[in-house]
Amino acid sequence: QVQLQESGPGLVKPSETLSLTCTVSGDSISGYYWSWVRQPPGKGLEWIAYIYPIATTNYNPSLGSRVTISVDVSRSQFSLRLTSVTAADTAVYFCARLGRRDGYLFDYWGQGTLVTVSS
Amino acid sequence: EIVLTQSPGSLSLSPGERGTLSCRASQSLNNNYLAWYQQRPGQAPRLLIYGASSRATGIPDRFSGSGSGTDFTLTISRLEPEDFAVYYCLQYAASPRTFGQGTKVEIK
Repeated sequence: QVQLQESGPGLVKPSETLSLTCTVSGDSISGYYWSWVRQPPGKGLEWIAYIYPIATTNYNPSLGSRVTISVDVSRSQFSLRLTSVTAADTAVYFCARLGRRDGYLFDYWGQGTLVTVSS
Repeated sequence: EIVLTQSPGSLSLSPGERGTLSCRASQSLNNNYLAWYQQRPGQAPRLLIYGASSRATGIPDRFSGSGSGTDFTLTISRLEPEDFAVYYCLQYAASPRTFGQGTKVEIK
């Protein structure tokens, strides 16, 4: 069974960079798409980005050039960087696998980690 | 981007009742690439239905999905206590993938 676990700071100051890592266990990180999704407190879900190891990436245009997703196959980890954060970036951040069900959708998820943007 | 609109925003039902949730897309979804997720408080979303009508592994048969094109429905035939949660639809026909705003199913 695939398991995903997010890690990173729970508090980030405005204008700084949010950095999170997702560690994958139970299956190879190669051969799948991996993604980040976020959820502001009390609100809905927003897809952020995905990566197919090692060079194929896709980003939500709503976040512009602030987002970077990367992967370290040797560590079975993928990461998210979000620059110039504001209070609007406060959310629970989930990492997820994109599994194939004809098309690709989120089939395995981490438990999520709350990141608060505040000074 | 494809906008998904879910209705109603909330639904008050009793255990054993039938729940019907709707998801409408702003344009037709190729291959009916529409999924449904259940999210309980403090948990990650859980995949219920994909391809509009196929149940994911381990999902009870009281959950069923239907629809095509732009109009989709999730039906819970007999609500169990653990089914009271928020339900989201997701379109994966086009990028960016987008979610509906959610329907909260509450105990009446």
